[in-house]
Amino acid sequence: NAGVTQTPKFRVLKTGQSMTLLCAQDMNHEYMYWYRQDPGMGLRLIHYSVGEGTTAKGEVPDGYNVSRLKKQNFLLGLESAAPSQTSVYFCASSSIGGLSYNEQFFGPGTRLTVL
Amino acid sequence: AQKVTQAQTEISVVEKEDVTLDCVYETRDTTYYLFWYKQPPSGELVFLIRRNSFDEQNEISGRYSWNFQKSTSSFNFTITASQVVDSAVYFCALSEAGDTDKLIFGTGTRLQVFP
Repeated sequence: NAGVTQTPKFRVLKTGQSMTLLCAQDMNHEYMYWYRQDPGMGLRLIHYSVGEGTTAKGEVPDGYNVSRLKKQNFLLGLESAAPSQTSVYFCASSSIGGLSYNEQFFGPGTRLTVL
Repeated sequence: AQKVTQAQTEISVVEKEDVTLDCVYETRDTTYYLFWYKQPPSGELVFLIRRNSFDEQNEISGRYSWNFQKSTSSFNFTITASQVVDSAVYFCALSEAGDTDKLIFGTGTRLQVFP
């Protein structure tokens, strides 16, 4: 049981390049989230999904797109990276029921630098 | 609107001292959940506790204790007899019931425990 995994762990992009971050969970969780963490600002929600095929905007969605084609995967895309998107990205998942209801399980994070 | 305030940006203590991390929250909902997460230097997010709004009992887990007071909208975290391994950034977070478990994070408190 790997929990929540993120690929890649580190990435350096040039301004204007695109990339996709992959999040995978093996806990059969319905909800998945993408957050970004910036110094002094805590974690802020980018996008989230309440189930396969559904996505919704969070607090800071601009410049990002997401897709959830399979229940276990949640992809975060940057179409044209900007230096302001330099951050650490965390994926999380949670269940709508069971003992761990409402608790979010986090991946190890992806450190992205945009030059 | 929901908000979580952690006014203490950084705290430094010497080993074996007790330390309290403050968390003040704002929400209009009567049903909500409060969390504490630990982020050690390695970067992962470690779940510490979840408390729902109907349970105001204080909780103790080893050297950790939490004081939840609805009257002051606070959910403070105390570490007794701190240890160097407690050095980390600690985040308080809020989730409102029925809002797909989205977490609103505070900006975090960096705790440094010196030997």
